[in-house]
Amino acid sequence: GQNIDQPTEMTATEGAIVQINCTYQTSGFNGLFWYQQHAGEAPTFLSYNVLDGLEEKGRFSSFLSRSKGYSYLLLKELQMKDSASYLCAVLDSNYQLIWGAGTKLIIKP
Amino acid sequence: ETGVTQTPRHLVMGMTNKKSLKCEQHLGHNAMYWYKQSAKKPLELMFVYNFKEQTENNSVPSRFSPECPNSSHLFLHLHTLQPEDSALYLCASRDREESQPQHFGDGTRLSIL
Repeated sequence: GQNIDQPTEMTATEGAIVQINCTYQTSGFNGLFWYQQHAGEAPTFLSYNVLDGLEEKGRFSSFLSRSKGYSYLLLKELQMKDSASYLCAVLDSNYQLIWGAGTKLIIKP
Repeated sequence: ETGVTQTPRHLVMGMTNKKSLKCEQHLGHNAMYWYKQSAKKPLELMFVYNFKEQTENNSVPSRFSPECPNSSHLFLHLHTLQPEDSALYLCASRDREESQPQHFGDGTRLSIL
C-alpha cells in the first residue's frame, strides 16, 4: 500500500528553527508537495519538489531525497503565526495525490 | 483569499435532512476536487472532475452525490448522512498540469446530529 509518514505534533520556540520530516512509500513518484493549514482555514501551497535537493523560499525551505523516500520542511526564524498544521503529499505514478495526516506545529514564546 | 469559495462554512443537519455544499473557483482551473478531512487523518479524496466530467469516485457512499454544472462550480449533495460523516469537507481546484498545486477553499464544517 501507499503510505506517507510525518510526526503528529511538534513544539518549537519563537525565533528558532524547526525541521518537519516526511517519509513516503508510494507507487512511483512525480513530485512532493508541502501545504500549510491554519486551524479552520484552507490548506495553502508552500512548495513542490520533484528533483533531489533543497529549495529555498524565504524563511521556508524544502528538501527531497528520492532514493531515501524522504523530504523535510525547514522553517527558520519561527514566528507565532507559523503555528499551523503542515501537510506532506506525494504525486504517485498515476498522478494521484497521496496525503500524510499532517504535523501540528506549536510555537511557544 | 485562495480564489476558491465554499458555502456554507458551517452546517448542522439531522440524519434525514437533505442539504448541498457549494464550491466556486475564480481561477480558471479545469479540475475540481472534493475531500473529506477528519481529525488526525490524511485528506480523503472523494470525487474529481476534469472539464466537468467526473474522473474519479473513491468508493464514496451514495448518500454523497456530486454535481459539476460547469468548470467553475461544484456541488456536493447530502442525503441521509450518518454521524461518522461529520468532518470538514474541502473543495479544491487545479490548473491543467498534474504537477500544479491544488488550491483549496476554507471548507464546510459538517456536523450530523
